[in-house]
Amino acid sequence: EAAVTQSPRNKVTVTGGNVTLSCRQTNSHNYMYWYRQDTGHGLRLIHYSYGAGNLQIGDVPDGYKATRTTQEDFFLLLELASPSQTSLYFCASSVDRGRREQYFGPGTRLTVL
Amino acid sequence: GDSVTQTEGPVTVSESESLIINCTYSATSIAYPNLFWYVRYPGEGLQLLLKVITAGQKGSSRGFEATYNKETTSFHLQKASVQESDSAVYYCALGAPPGSSGNKLIFGIGTLLSVKP
Repeated sequence: EAAVTQSPRNKVTVTGGNVTLSCRQTNSHNYMYWYRQDTGHGLRLIHYSYGAGNLQIGDVPDGYKATRTTQEDFFLLLELASPSQTSLYFCASSVDRGRREQYFGPGTRLTVL
Repeated sequence: GDSVTQTEGPVTVSESESLIINCTYSATSIAYPNLFWYVRYPGEGLQLLLKVITAGQKGSSRGFEATYNKETTSFHLQKASVQESDSAVYYCALGAPPGSSGNKLIFGIGTLLSVKP
Protein backbone atom coordinates (compact mmCIF):
# COMPACT_ATOMS: atom_id res chain seq x y z
CA GLU A 1 0.00 0.00 0.00
CA ALA A 2 1.10 3.55 -0.75
CA ALA A 3 2.96 5.25 2.08
CA VAL A 4 2.85 9.00 2.50
CA THR A 5 4.46 10.64 5.50
CA GLN A 6 4.32 14.23 6.68
CA SER A 7 6.38 16.26 9.09
CA PRO A 8 5.95 17.90 11.44
CA ARG A 9 2.62 16.56 12.68
CA ASN A 10 1.98 19.68 14.67
CA LYS A 11 3.43 23.15 14.32
CA VAL A 12 2.83 26.43 16.10
CA THR A 13 4.26 29.65 14.74
CA VAL A 14 3.63 33.37 14.99
CA THR A 15 2.29 35.79 12.44
CA GLY A 16 5.01 36.60 9.93
CA GLY A 17 6.89 33.41 10.67
CA ASN A 18 8.47 31.13 8.11
CA VAL A 19 7.14 27.55 7.95
CA THR A 20 8.02 24.56 5.82
CA LEU A 21 5.82 21.47 5.75
CA SER A 22 7.37 18.30 4.37
CA CYS A 23 5.86 15.37 2.57
CA ARG A 24 7.48 12.17 1.35
CA GLN A 25 5.97 9.30 -0.59
CA THR A 26 7.79 6.05 -1.14
CA ASN A 27 5.78 4.44 -3.91
CA SER A 28 7.15 6.13 -7.00
CA HIS A 29 3.96 8.09 -7.63
CA ASN A 30 4.22 10.85 -10.17
CA TYR A 31 1.58 13.19 -8.75
CA MET A 32 1.73 14.86 -5.36
CA TYR A 33 -0.71 17.32 -3.84
CA TRP A 34 -1.07 19.72 -0.93
CA TYR A 35 -4.53 20.34 0.54
CA ARG A 36 -5.89 22.29 3.45
CA GLN A 37 -8.89 21.22 5.47
CA ASP A 38 -10.93 23.77 7.40
CA THR A 39 -14.19 23.40 9.29
CA GLY A 40 -17.09 23.91 6.90
CA HIS A 41 -14.96 23.29 3.83
CA GLY A 42 -13.94 20.20 1.99
CA LEU A 43 -10.30 19.60 1.27
CA ARG A 44 -9.07 22.45 -0.90
CA LEU A 45 -6.18 22.02 -3.28
CA ILE A 46 -3.28 24.43 -2.74
CA HIS A 47 -0.63 23.16 -5.17
CA TYR A 48 0.24 19.96 -6.95
CA SER A 49 3.07 18.53 -9.00
CA TYR A 50 3.50 15.81 -11.56
CA GLY A 51 7.22 15.33 -11.15
CA ALA A 52 10.47 16.66 -9.78
CA GLY A 53 10.85 20.33 -10.59
CA ASN A 54 7.22 20.70 -11.68
CA LEU A 55 4.63 22.81 -9.88
CA GLN A 56 0.98 23.42 -10.71
CA ILE A 57 -1.25 25.96 -9.04
CA GLY A 58 -4.32 24.69 -7.24
CA ASP A 59 -7.50 26.43 -6.15
CA VAL A 60 -6.26 28.30 -3.06
CA PRO A 61 -2.58 29.10 -3.75
CA ASP A 62 -2.35 32.60 -2.26
CA GLY A 63 0.26 32.83 0.47
CA TYR A 64 1.81 29.45 -0.35
CA LYS A 65 4.78 28.29 -2.31
CA ALA A 66 5.68 24.71 -3.02
CA THR A 67 8.65 22.84 -4.35
CA ARG A 68 9.07 19.27 -5.60
CA THR A 69 12.72 18.45 -5.16
CA THR A 70 12.59 14.76 -6.04
CA GLN A 71 9.94 12.30 -7.04
CA GLU A 72 9.54 11.45 -3.36
CA ASP A 73 9.60 14.88 -1.71
CA PHE A 74 7.15 17.75 -1.90
CA PHE A 75 7.38 20.79 0.35
CA LEU A 76 4.88 23.50 1.20
CA LEU A 77 6.31 26.87 2.20
CA LEU A 78 4.61 29.66 4.11
CA GLU A 79 7.05 32.55 4.04
CA LEU A 80 4.95 35.08 5.96
CA ALA A 81 2.47 33.01 7.89
CA SER A 82 -0.87 34.57 8.79
CA PRO A 83 -3.61 33.42 11.21
CA SER A 84 -5.83 32.66 8.21
CA GLN A 85 -3.42 29.85 7.37
CA THR A 86 -4.19 28.03 10.60
CA SER A 87 -5.46 24.74 9.27
CA LEU A 88 -4.99 21.00 8.89
CA TYR A 89 -2.76 20.28 5.92
CA PHE A 90 -2.76 17.04 3.98
CA CYS A 91 -0.32 15.78 1.42
CA ALA A 92 -1.36 13.15 -1.08
CA SER A 93 0.07 11.25 -4.02
CA SER A 94 -1.27 9.31 -6.98
CA VAL A 95 0.16 7.23 -9.78
CA ASP A 96 -0.76 9.45 -12.69
CA ARG A 97 -3.48 11.70 -14.01
CA GLY A 98 -5.48 8.73 -15.17
CA ARG A 99 -5.75 7.17 -11.73
CA ARG A 100 -7.97 9.21 -9.48
CA GLU A 101 -7.29 7.37 -6.26
CA GLN A 102 -5.11 9.49 -4.07
CA TYR A 103 -3.12 8.27 -1.06
CA PHE A 104 -2.96 10.64 1.87
CA GLY A 105 -0.53 11.40 4.63
CA PRO A 106 -1.67 11.75 8.25
CA GLY A 107 -1.82 15.52 8.16
CA THR A 108 -0.03 18.45 9.78
CA ARG A 109 -1.91 20.71 12.13
CA LEU A 110 -0.57 24.25 11.80
CA THR A 111 -1.46 27.04 14.19
CA VAL A 112 -0.45 30.61 13.42
CA LEU A 113 -0.78 32.88 16.45
CA GLY B 1 -19.03 24.88 -11.18
CA ASP B 2 -18.43 21.38 -9.91
CA SER B 3 -19.30 20.74 -6.29
CA VAL B 4 -20.19 18.11 -3.70
CA THR B 5 -22.74 18.54 -0.92
CA GLN B 6 -22.96 16.06 1.92
CA THR B 7 -24.68 15.63 5.28
CA GLU B 8 -23.42 18.08 7.81
CA GLY B 9 -22.21 16.46 10.96
CA PRO B 10 -21.79 15.45 13.54
CA VAL B 11 -23.90 12.36 13.10
CA THR B 12 -24.35 10.15 16.14
CA VAL B 13 -25.76 6.65 15.96
CA SER B 14 -25.77 3.69 18.30
CA GLU B 15 -23.87 0.53 17.55
CA SER B 16 -25.78 -1.91 15.32
CA GLU B 17 -28.06 0.83 14.00
CA SER B 18 -28.23 1.65 10.31
CA LEU B 19 -26.52 4.66 8.77
CA ILE B 20 -26.96 6.87 5.75
CA ILE B 21 -24.77 9.83 4.88
CA ASN B 22 -26.17 11.82 1.99
CA CYS B 23 -24.05 13.05 -0.88
CA THR B 24 -25.18 14.93 -3.95
CA TYR B 25 -22.98 16.36 -6.63
CA SER B 26 -22.96 18.91 -9.42
CA ALA B 27 -20.65 18.12 -12.32
CA THR B 28 -21.21 20.86 -14.87
CA SER B 29 -17.76 20.51 -16.46
CA ILE B 30 -17.32 16.74 -16.11
CA ALA B 31 -19.47 14.59 -18.36
CA TYR B 32 -18.91 11.28 -16.59
CA PRO B 33 -17.55 11.92 -13.12
CA ASN B 34 -15.99 9.25 -10.96
CA LEU B 35 -17.39 9.19 -7.42
CA PHE B 36 -15.56 8.32 -4.22
CA TRP B 37 -16.01 7.93 -0.51
CA TYR B 38 -12.92 8.52 1.60
CA VAL B 39 -12.67 7.94 5.36
CA ARG B 40 -10.37 9.54 7.91
CA TYR B 41 -9.93 7.75 11.20
CA PRO B 42 -8.64 9.73 14.19
CA GLY B 43 -4.98 10.64 13.82
CA GLU B 44 -4.73 9.22 10.31
CA GLY B 45 -4.88 10.50 6.75
CA LEU B 46 -7.76 9.95 4.38
CA GLN B 47 -8.05 6.52 2.83
CA LEU B 48 -10.23 5.37 0.01
CA LEU B 49 -13.31 3.55 1.22
CA LEU B 50 -14.98 2.88 -2.12
CA LYS B 51 -15.28 4.27 -5.61
CA VAL B 52 -17.68 3.90 -8.53
CA ILE B 53 -16.89 5.05 -12.03
CA THR B 54 -20.04 3.99 -13.89
CA ALA B 55 -23.51 5.43 -13.38
CA GLY B 56 -25.95 2.86 -12.04
CA GLN B 57 -23.26 0.77 -10.38
CA LYS B 58 -22.82 0.14 -6.68
CA GLY B 59 -19.58 0.09 -4.75
CA SER B 60 -19.08 -1.66 -1.45
CA SER B 61 -16.38 -2.05 1.16
CA ARG B 62 -16.22 -2.94 4.87
CA GLY B 63 -20.01 -3.26 4.94
CA PHE B 64 -20.56 0.19 3.42
CA GLU B 65 -22.36 0.65 0.11
CA ALA B 66 -22.98 3.54 -2.26
CA THR B 67 -24.82 3.63 -5.59
CA TYR B 68 -23.97 6.08 -8.34
CA ASN B 69 -27.31 7.61 -9.33
CA LYS B 70 -26.96 9.93 -12.29
CA GLU B 71 -30.66 10.85 -12.38
CA THR B 72 -30.66 12.23 -8.86
CA THR B 73 -26.93 13.13 -8.94
CA SER B 74 -26.49 11.30 -5.67
CA PHE B 75 -23.98 8.91 -4.12
CA HIS B 76 -25.29 8.24 -0.61
CA LEU B 77 -23.23 6.11 1.77
CA GLN B 78 -25.11 3.42 3.68
CA LYS B 79 -24.38 0.73 6.20
CA ALA B 80 -26.91 -1.65 7.69
CA SER B 81 -25.25 -2.04 11.08
CA VAL B 82 -22.51 0.28 12.27
CA GLN B 83 -19.76 -0.56 14.73
CA GLU B 84 -17.93 1.67 17.16
CA SER B 85 -14.82 1.30 14.99
CA ASP B 86 -16.67 3.09 12.17
CA SER B 87 -16.37 6.36 14.06
CA ALA B 88 -14.50 8.63 11.65
CA VAL B 89 -14.92 11.50 9.21
CA TYR B 90 -16.37 10.51 5.83
CA TYR B 91 -15.76 12.52 2.68
CA CYS B 92 -17.63 12.29 -0.58
CA ALA B 93 -15.62 13.33 -3.64
CA LEU B 94 -15.89 13.51 -7.38
CA GLY B 95 -13.23 13.49 -10.06
CA ALA B 96 -12.83 13.50 -13.79
CA PRO B 97 -12.40 10.07 -15.42
CA PRO B 98 -9.02 8.83 -16.67
CA GLY B 99 -7.88 10.42 -19.90
CA SER B 100 -9.67 13.70 -19.40
CA SER B 101 -7.91 16.93 -18.64
CA GLY B 102 -7.17 17.87 -15.08
CA ASN B 103 -6.48 15.63 -12.15
CA LYS B 104 -8.50 17.23 -9.42
CA LEU B 105 -10.70 15.67 -6.81
CA ILE B 106 -13.51 17.82 -5.47
CA PHE B 107 -14.38 17.02 -1.87
CA GLY B 108 -17.42 17.54 0.28
CA ILE B 109 -17.01 19.10 3.72
CA GLY B 110 -16.76 15.77 5.49
CA THR B 111 -19.24 14.19 7.90
CA LEU B 112 -18.11 13.30 11.41
CA LEU B 113 -19.69 10.03 12.48
CA SER B 114 -19.72 9.01 16.13
CA VAL B 115 -20.95 5.54 17.00
CA LYS B 116 -22.06 5.04 20.58
CA PRO B 117 -21.37 1.64 22.17
